Amino acid sequence: EAGVTQFPSHSVIEKGQTVTLRCDPISGHDNLYWYRRVMGKEIKFLLHFVKESKQDESGMPNNRFLAERTGGTYSTLKVQPAELEDSGVYFCASSQGLDGVQFFGPGTRLTVL
Amino acid sequence: EDQVTQSPEALRLQEGESSSLNCSYTVSGLRGLFWYRQDPGKGPEFLFTLYSAGEEKEKERLKATLTKKESFLHITAPKPEDSATYLCAVRSNYQLIWGAGTKLIIKP
Repeated sequence: EAGVTQFPSHSVIEKGQTVTLRCDPISGHDNLYWYRRVMGKEIKFLLHFVKESKQDESGMPNNRFLAERTGGTYSTLKVQPAELEDSGVYFCASSQGLDGVQFFGPGTRLTVL
Repeated sequence: EDQVTQSPEALRLQEGESSSLNCSYTVSGLRGLFWYRQDPGKGPEFLFTLYSAGEEKEKERLKATLTKKESFLHITAPKPEDSATYLCAVRSNYQLIWGAGTKLIIKP
Protein backbone atom coordinates (compact mmCIF):
# COMPACT_ATOMS: atom_id res chain seq x y z
CA GLU A 1 0.00 0.00 0.00
CA ALA A 2 1.38 3.40 -0.98
CA GLY A 3 2.13 5.81 1.83
CA VAL A 4 1.57 9.55 1.98
CA THR A 5 3.30 11.29 -0.90
CA GLN A 6 4.29 14.94 -1.20
CA PHE A 7 5.43 17.03 -4.15
CA PRO A 8 7.85 18.66 -4.67
CA SER A 9 10.50 17.34 -2.31
CA HIS A 10 12.33 20.66 -2.45
CA SER A 11 11.36 24.16 -3.59
CA VAL A 12 13.52 27.28 -3.71
CA ILE A 13 11.73 30.53 -4.48
CA GLU A 14 12.28 34.26 -4.18
CA LYS A 15 10.49 36.36 -1.59
CA GLY A 16 7.18 37.53 -3.02
CA GLN A 17 6.69 34.54 -5.31
CA THR A 18 3.98 31.92 -5.04
CA VAL A 19 4.49 28.24 -4.27
CA THR A 20 2.01 25.38 -4.20
CA LEU A 21 2.70 22.20 -2.27
CA ARG A 22 0.79 19.00 -2.91
CA CYS A 23 -0.07 16.06 -0.67
CA ASP A 24 -1.61 12.73 -1.65
CA PRO A 25 -2.86 10.88 1.44
CA ILE A 26 -3.09 7.14 1.92
CA SER A 27 -6.05 5.83 -0.07
CA GLY A 28 -9.22 5.73 2.04
CA HIS A 29 -7.96 8.16 4.68
CA ASP A 30 -10.55 10.90 5.16
CA ASN A 31 -8.41 12.91 7.59
CA LEU A 32 -5.54 14.97 6.21
CA TYR A 33 -3.23 17.22 8.22
CA TRP A 34 -0.59 19.80 7.39
CA TYR A 35 2.31 20.52 9.75
CA ARG A 36 5.42 22.67 9.48
CA ARG A 37 8.87 22.60 11.04
CA VAL A 38 10.91 25.78 10.86
CA MET A 39 14.65 25.69 11.53
CA GLY A 40 15.51 24.81 15.12
CA LYS A 41 11.92 24.52 16.28
CA GLU A 42 9.50 21.70 16.89
CA ILE A 43 6.88 20.55 14.38
CA LYS A 44 3.76 22.73 14.49
CA PHE A 45 0.21 21.97 13.40
CA LEU A 46 -1.24 24.04 10.55
CA LEU A 47 -4.64 22.58 9.68
CA HIS A 48 -6.85 19.50 9.48
CA PHE A 49 -9.27 18.37 6.77
CA VAL A 50 -12.02 15.83 7.13
CA LYS A 51 -12.78 14.86 3.55
CA GLU A 52 -13.01 18.22 1.75
CA SER A 53 -13.98 20.27 4.83
CA LYS A 54 -11.60 22.21 7.05
CA GLN A 55 -12.07 20.77 10.55
CA ASP A 56 -9.46 22.96 12.25
CA GLU A 57 -7.31 25.69 10.73
CA SER A 58 -6.18 27.26 13.99
CA GLY A 59 -2.50 26.76 13.18
CA MET A 60 -2.46 28.64 9.87
CA PRO A 61 -0.04 31.54 10.42
CA ASN A 62 -1.79 34.18 8.30
CA ASN A 63 -3.91 34.74 5.20
CA ARG A 64 -0.95 34.23 2.87
CA PHE A 65 -1.53 30.50 3.35
CA LEU A 66 -4.42 28.80 1.54
CA ALA A 67 -5.15 25.10 1.81
CA GLU A 68 -7.63 23.19 -0.32
CA ARG A 69 -8.79 19.63 -0.63
CA THR A 70 -11.22 19.57 -3.53
CA GLY A 71 -13.05 16.25 -3.86
CA GLY A 72 -11.65 15.02 -0.56
CA THR A 73 -8.61 13.35 -2.11
CA TYR A 74 -5.32 15.21 -2.52
CA SER A 75 -4.63 18.55 -0.88
CA THR A 76 -2.69 21.64 -1.88
CA LEU A 77 -1.12 24.29 0.31
CA LYS A 78 -0.43 27.58 -1.44
CA VAL A 79 1.78 30.32 -0.05
CA GLN A 80 1.23 33.68 -1.73
CA PRO A 81 3.27 35.85 -1.49
CA ALA A 82 6.07 33.91 0.21
CA GLU A 83 8.12 35.57 2.94
CA LEU A 84 11.53 34.62 4.35
CA GLU A 85 10.00 33.25 7.56
CA ASP A 86 7.96 30.73 5.57
CA SER A 87 11.10 28.65 5.00
CA GLY A 88 10.96 25.23 6.60
CA VAL A 89 9.81 21.68 6.03
CA TYR A 90 6.11 21.16 5.38
CA PHE A 91 4.75 17.75 6.34
CA CYS A 92 1.46 16.20 5.40
CA ALA A 93 -0.14 13.35 7.31
CA SER A 94 -3.29 11.29 6.95
CA SER A 95 -5.35 9.06 9.24
CA GLN A 96 -8.26 6.68 8.77
CA GLY A 97 -10.43 8.15 11.53
CA LEU A 98 -10.35 11.15 13.84
CA ASP A 99 -8.56 9.08 16.48
CA GLY A 100 -6.46 7.08 14.03
CA VAL A 101 -2.68 7.08 13.86
CA GLN A 102 -1.33 9.87 11.66
CA PHE A 103 1.03 8.63 8.96
CA PHE A 104 3.41 11.17 7.54
CA GLY A 105 4.81 11.95 4.13
CA PRO A 106 8.48 12.72 3.50
CA GLY A 107 7.91 16.48 3.59
CA THR A 108 8.57 19.39 1.25
CA ARG A 109 11.57 21.54 2.09
CA LEU A 110 10.73 25.15 1.20
CA THR A 111 13.46 27.77 1.00
CA VAL A 112 12.48 31.40 0.48
CA LEU A 113 15.38 33.64 -0.55
CA GLU B 1 -1.23 25.67 27.57
CA ASP B 2 -0.52 22.25 26.05
CA GLN B 3 3.20 21.52 26.03
CA VAL B 4 5.62 18.67 25.36
CA THR B 5 9.24 18.65 26.55
CA GLN B 6 11.76 16.00 25.57
CA SER B 7 15.10 15.24 27.19
CA PRO B 8 17.92 14.92 26.58
CA GLU B 9 18.28 16.90 23.34
CA ALA B 10 20.96 14.49 22.18
CA LEU B 11 22.28 11.16 23.44
CA ARG B 12 25.35 9.23 22.35
CA LEU B 13 25.55 5.58 23.33
CA GLN B 14 27.84 2.70 22.56
CA GLU B 15 26.29 -0.24 20.75
CA GLY B 16 24.63 -2.45 23.37
CA GLU B 17 24.40 0.32 26.00
CA SER B 18 20.78 0.59 27.16
CA SER B 19 19.18 3.93 28.09
CA SER B 20 15.90 5.86 28.24
CA LEU B 21 14.49 8.97 26.58
CA ASN B 22 12.03 11.18 28.44
CA CYS B 23 8.91 13.01 27.29
CA SER B 24 7.05 15.13 29.82
CA TYR B 25 3.74 16.71 28.90
CA THR B 26 0.91 18.95 30.02
CA VAL B 27 -2.27 18.69 28.03
CA SER B 28 -5.95 19.31 28.65
CA GLY B 29 -7.65 16.08 27.69
CA LEU B 30 -5.05 13.59 26.49
CA ARG B 31 -6.25 11.68 23.45
CA GLY B 32 -3.08 9.68 23.07
CA LEU B 33 0.68 10.04 23.37
CA PHE B 34 2.68 9.11 20.28
CA TRP B 35 6.29 8.17 19.64
CA TYR B 36 7.74 8.60 16.17
CA ARG B 37 11.17 8.00 14.72
CA GLN B 38 12.60 10.40 12.15
CA ASP B 39 15.60 9.76 9.92
CA PRO B 40 17.37 12.66 8.15
CA GLY B 41 15.42 13.92 5.12
CA LYS B 42 12.39 11.77 5.89
CA GLY B 43 9.03 12.22 7.56
CA PRO B 44 8.20 10.96 11.06
CA GLU B 45 7.66 7.19 11.19
CA PHE B 46 5.07 5.92 13.67
CA LEU B 47 6.30 3.72 16.52
CA PHE B 48 3.77 3.61 19.39
CA THR B 49 0.55 5.06 20.76
CA LEU B 50 -0.19 5.08 24.50
CA TYR B 51 -3.52 6.16 25.95
CA SER B 52 -3.57 5.65 29.71
CA ALA B 53 -1.19 5.71 32.67
CA GLY B 54 0.44 2.34 33.24
CA GLU B 55 0.22 1.31 29.60
CA GLU B 56 3.32 -0.19 27.95
CA LYS B 57 4.10 -1.09 24.33
CA GLU B 58 7.11 -2.94 22.90
CA LYS B 59 8.67 -3.31 19.49
CA GLU B 60 12.01 -5.05 19.01
CA ARG B 61 14.53 -3.14 21.17
CA LEU B 62 12.11 -0.33 22.06
CA LYS B 63 9.63 -0.14 24.93
CA ALA B 64 7.37 2.84 25.63
CA THR B 65 5.73 3.51 28.99
CA LEU B 66 3.28 6.17 30.16
CA THR B 67 2.48 7.89 33.46
CA LYS B 68 0.12 10.80 34.11
CA LYS B 69 2.86 13.34 33.46
CA GLU B 70 5.50 11.68 31.30
CA SER B 71 6.45 8.91 28.94
CA PHE B 72 9.70 7.02 28.60
CA LEU B 73 11.13 5.33 25.55
CA HIS B 74 13.48 2.62 26.74
CA ILE B 75 16.00 1.27 24.29
CA THR B 76 17.65 -2.04 25.15
CA ALA B 77 20.97 -3.13 23.65
CA PRO B 78 20.75 -0.61 20.79
CA LYS B 79 22.36 -1.11 17.39
CA PRO B 80 23.78 1.56 15.05
CA GLU B 81 20.62 1.33 12.92
CA ASP B 82 18.63 2.67 15.89
CA SER B 83 20.34 6.03 15.38
CA ALA B 84 17.65 8.61 14.57
CA THR B 85 15.70 11.48 16.10
CA TYR B 86 12.91 10.22 18.36
CA LEU B 87 9.87 12.49 18.55
CA CYS B 88 7.13 12.53 21.16
CA ALA B 89 3.71 14.10 20.52
CA VAL B 90 0.40 14.35 22.34
CA ARG B 91 -2.96 14.57 20.65
CA SER B 92 -5.24 17.40 21.64
CA ASN B 93 -8.37 18.13 19.61
CA TYR B 94 -7.11 15.75 16.90
CA GLN B 95 -3.96 17.79 16.21
CA LEU B 96 -0.55 16.61 17.41
CA ILE B 97 1.54 18.80 19.72
CA TRP B 98 5.20 17.95 19.38
CA GLY B 99 8.34 17.96 21.45
CA ALA B 100 11.62 19.05 19.93
CA GLY B 101 12.95 15.49 19.78
CA THR B 102 15.95 13.56 21.07
CA LYS B 103 18.74 12.87 18.60
CA LEU B 104 20.08 9.40 19.38
CA ILE B 105 23.48 8.30 18.07
CA ILE B 106 24.60 4.70 18.54
CA LYS B 107 28.31 4.15 17.98
CA PRO B 108 29.52 0.71 16.86
